[in-house]
Amino acid sequence: EADIYQTPRYLVIGTGKKITLECSQTMGHDKMYWYQQDPGMELHLIHYSYGVNSTEKGDLSSESTVSRIRTEHFPLTLESARPSHTSQYLCAVKPGVNTGELFFGEGSRLTVL
Amino acid sequence: GENVEQHPSTLSVQEGDSAVIKCTYSDSASNYFPWYKQELGKGPQLIIDIRSNVGEKKDQRIAVTLNKTAKHFSLHITETQPEDSAVYFCAASSRNSGYSTLTFGKGTMLLVSP
Repeated sequence: EADIYQTPRYLVIGTGKKITLECSQTMGHDKMYWYQQDPGMELHLIHYSYGVNSTEKGDLSSESTVSRIRTEHFPLTLESARPSHTSQYLCAVKPGVNTGELFFGEGSRLTVL
Repeated sequence: GENVEQHPSTLSVQEGDSAVIKCTYSDSASNYFPWYKQELGKGPQLIIDIRSNVGEKKDQRIAVTLNKTAKHFSLHITETQPEDSAVYFCAASSRNSGYSTLTFGKGTMLLVSP
């Protein structure tokens, strides 16, 4: 099991603002992921991390950046938000070694006006 | 890399009917196949999974079947109820990659009418 917390749940901001979406977990798991979910439901992997100071880009190119300074936190940042960044952002952890099961947070829904 | 196709994109059934969602995968090295359910306003949650050494797995009203030769797997929900209404995702992962990443299908929106 994994407890994953994402904040904020909902965010409406204007174009050009800098935003950070927080993702934290309490179980000390190494592998964490960010997915972007478009209105058409599809899940796109945009970033992942296998531990502190490890970050990689996912399958979908994203203008966002991530950091992993502490095991518990995996924040995602947009330096200058645009309407095209409007989406649902889901954070997940993978606790198991011999299984691919992911545990997702409840998501952060971002709207950029 | 892996490619997962999922059909249908939407599925409407009457309460009590069965629902079937089908997925195909491309990478023969994939050997772990989970199914996730995403309710409105929440993140996806694992409901059942199957490994390639098993052909079928059941958990109460849900079951998953796997055909390795044809590279397809399916989710079966029997006696559907309104609370089964959600978006369902299939996914695939490989032990060769240490199960590090999941490749998801595009999702199926299931609507169960009372």
